[in-house]
Amino acid sequence: GESVGLHLPTLSVQEGDNSIINCAYSNSASDYFIWYKQESGKGPQFIIDIRSNMDKRQGQRVTVLLNKTVKHLSLQIAATQPGDSAVYFCAENEGSSNTGKLIFGQGTTLQVKP
Amino acid sequence: GAGVSQSPSNKVTEKGKDVELRCDPISGHTALYWYRQSLGQGLEFLIYFQGNSAPDKSGLPSDRFSAERTGGSVSTLTIQRTQQEDSAVYLCASSSMAGGSYEQYFGPGTRLTVT
Repeated sequence: GESVGLHLPTLSVQEGDNSIINCAYSNSASDYFIWYKQESGKGPQFIIDIRSNMDKRQGQRVTVLLNKTVKHLSLQIAATQPGDSAVYFCAENEGSSNTGKLIFGQGTTLQVKP
Repeated sequence: GAGVSQSPSNKVTEKGKDVELRCDPISGHTALYWYRQSLGQGLEFLIYFQGNSAPDKSGLPSDRFSAERTGGSVSTLTIQRTQQEDSAVYLCASSSMAGGSYEQYFGPGTRLTVT
């Protein structure tokens, strides 16, 4: 069945280092992927998205990489800061249904050490 | 502009009581979603409204859960005869779907505790 999952539940990095958060998906029909950041007590906040016709997209300090061959998605955060500490979720749209329905992974907790 | 708002922010109820959770989406957003998030878990899809189409209720865990969206704007999620396993954060999101964008904007959630 469809699933979106993360390789590691917790990632601990030193402030200033780069962070890489990974995500695997199983539905090859998914054509849209998105990363959210959720801080404690808050709703998820959009970080960056990517469509399946791209393999890389860059934002401010963040880069998303999509490898459709192995159905793998990653979020790279440059020069990680304490404010980046949060839970990060990847999500994919539900196949090609165009409903906007997203399937979320379990999340990776990013801990930034000062 | 105003984001998605939800009320109440916290709700404590006794087992067996009914609860109503409210979501005010971003003005003009045609799509509205409800999710449930248990402690330390991901987001579990519950229900989806899009314009005047019939809602997608495929994620509702039981017939005790229902939701409506009035006038294409405000939505209410109702849980009847609450159980302790219903305790979770209930998140609402809205999306404009403009230009094929699937970005969902989330509210702060309602933390429901069933005692």
